[in-house]
Parts: sequence; C-alpha cells; structure tokens
Amino acid sequence: GQSLEQPSEVTAVEGAIVQINCTYQTSGFYGLSWYQQHDGGAPTFLSYNGLDGLEETGRFSSFLSRSDSYGYLLLQELQMKDSASYFCAVRGAGGFKTIFGAGTRLFVKA
Amino acid sequence: DTAVSQTPKYLVTQMGNDKSIKCEQNLGHDTMYWYKQDSKKFLKIMFSYNNKELIINETVPNRFSPKSPDKAHLNLHINSLELGDSAVYFCASSQAVGSEKLFFGSGTQLSVL
Repeated sequence: GQSLEQPSEVTAVEGAIVQINCTYQTSGFYGLSWYQQHDGGAPTFLSYNGLDGLEETGRFSSFLSRSDSYGYLLLQELQMKDSASYFCAVRGAGGFKTIFGAGTRLFVKA
Repeated sequence: DTAVSQTPKYLVTQMGNDKSIKCEQNLGHDTMYWYKQDSKKFLKIMFSYNNKELIINETVPNRFSPKSPDKAHLNLHINSLELGDSAVYFCASSQAVGSEKLFFGSGTQLSVL
C-alpha cells in the first residue's frame, strides 16, 4: 500500500522561507508531486520530482531523495496569498493513480 | 474557457435521494478521475477512466456509479444518498494514465441532510 506523512500545520511570517516535509511509503515509486489548495478552491499542481534533487519554479522549489523516501516543498519570500493547504502526492498502482497526503495547512502572518 | 468543469457546484439533498454530478474537460486528455475530499481535507481517489474504460475502482460502495460517455466526460451518479456521503467531490483529468500532473475541476460540495 501507500502512505504519506506531512505536518498538519505550519505557520510563518510574510517574507520568510518555509519548508514542508513529506515522507512516503509506497510499493513502486513513480514520482512525488505537490499541490496547493486554497479554501473553497480546487487543488492545483505546483511541482513534480521524478528523480533525486531540486526542482525550482519561481518562489517554490521541491526536493526529492528516493533513498530516504523523503521530499519537501520550499516556499520562499512568503506572501499572504500563500496561505493554503499543501498536499504531497505519489503515484501508485503501477503509476495509474495519484495518492495524496493529508495536507499541510500553511498560515502566513503579517 | 474552463479546462475541467463540473456541475453543480453545490448540491443539497435528503438522505435516500439519487443525484448526479457531471464533469467535462476540454484539454484533450485521455484520463479522468473522481476524488472525494472529506471534512478533514483528505483527498481520496474513487474512480479513474482512461479513454472511457474504467481502470481504477477504489472499493467504493456500488451506490456510486461513474459513467464516461466519451473521453471528455465523466459523470458520477449516486444512489440512496447517506449522511456519510457529504463531502466535496472533485473531478480531475490528466494527459495520460501515467501523467504526473492532474487538473482538477472546481468541486461539487454535496450536503446530505
């Protein structure tokens, strides 16, 4: 089976950097993804790591270590609009389905 | 143009009723999904279709019946609604079965009274 663990809540101040960790257990690994969801909104894709290392997209970066079954999402220069839930996700079942973690609620304070 | 659109956005109904949620994607994707998000925001996959064929059925009660008339549409019919069915239901699509990027619709908030 698959399971993912991420912190339930993180609080940070505007302009700061925050890291959201994710550890996973999966039979067969096809990559780690991150999604953002604002209250009342739909999850939107942020990034994907299929191989070890860092992927950068603007203020957001994502890291993967397959040997440690671990990844993180790094958000820099935090803005109030970054307050949202962030989900890590892995593909299981031969890569056919995406399984989501329980989500990390990020609160950005002024 | 909305990439993945689902209707209705809100659905309030009584226990025991039957209801449907419709989903359409205009991205030309081959694969579509239904996810259920509960009150704790846990997102759980329910079904996946690839080119109108069911490929994933996550032990969902058979009161839930998906239908895909073509690869751009995936509807969800729910019979004999129960209180525990209250949740937000998201439709999603991806380019192909193994694609890492899912595109989600705006969700349908179902409240069963």
